Amino acid sequence: NAGVTQTPKFQVLKTGQSMTLQCAQDMNHNSMYWYRQDPGMGLRLIYYSASEGTTDKGEVPNGYNVSRLNKREFSLRLESAAPSQTSVYFCASSEAVRAGELFFGEGSRLTVL
Amino acid sequence: GNSVTQMEGPVTLSEEAFLTINCTYTATGYPSLFWYVQYPGEGLQLLLKATKADDKGSNKGFEATYRKETTSFHLEKGSVQVSDSAVYFCALRLNNNDMRFGAGTRLTVKP
Repeated sequence: NAGVTQTPKFQVLKTGQSMTLQCAQDMNHNSMYWYRQDPGMGLRLIYYSASEGTTDKGEVPNGYNVSRLNKREFSLRLESAAPSQTSVYFCASSEAVRAGELFFGEGSRLTVL
Repeated sequence: GNSVTQMEGPVTLSEEAFLTINCTYTATGYPSLFWYVQYPGEGLQLLLKATKADDKGSNKGFEATYRKETTSFHLEKGSVQVSDSAVYFCALRLNNNDMRFGAGTRLTVKP
């Protein structure tokens, strides 16, 4: 069972470069999320997609864009990377219910020099 | 606003010691509450959850009770093992779009 798959697992960028993090889930979930994890700050929501065709900003959306390509895939794009975007990024998916747990990918470690 | 506060770490215990990690929340409405665990190099995975007041979630020897009167969801385990070493996150969810996480508590269990 693949669950939630993210690529790449590691990436090093120079300031100003762009890149896209890819995420796919095979659990037929409607909702998908992108979080970033920074030391001492837990997980902060960047963007989410409640259903195919919709996306909304979370707590820290500045500097990011997302695309919900279809029900399975939800990508995160950094148009012009900054050192402040050095972080570990997690994609997650869930059923669209209050009690639904999130299923996480293994994370993508991004370093911006 | 809606938020989760959990005890700061790191926490270091000897094997077979009793574990408590405190978690309190602030929420408008009636959230579901979760504990997630993150092992080194991995994503978060659900440890246990509770969806209404007085519910007790349990898994792998861990327990937490949803206390509405104290707005708390403390994680406990009677006898920890080295394999329990990980980072633990408390979280609340109010609706589809709003899952809030605490800052995480790193637990190290020594043999």
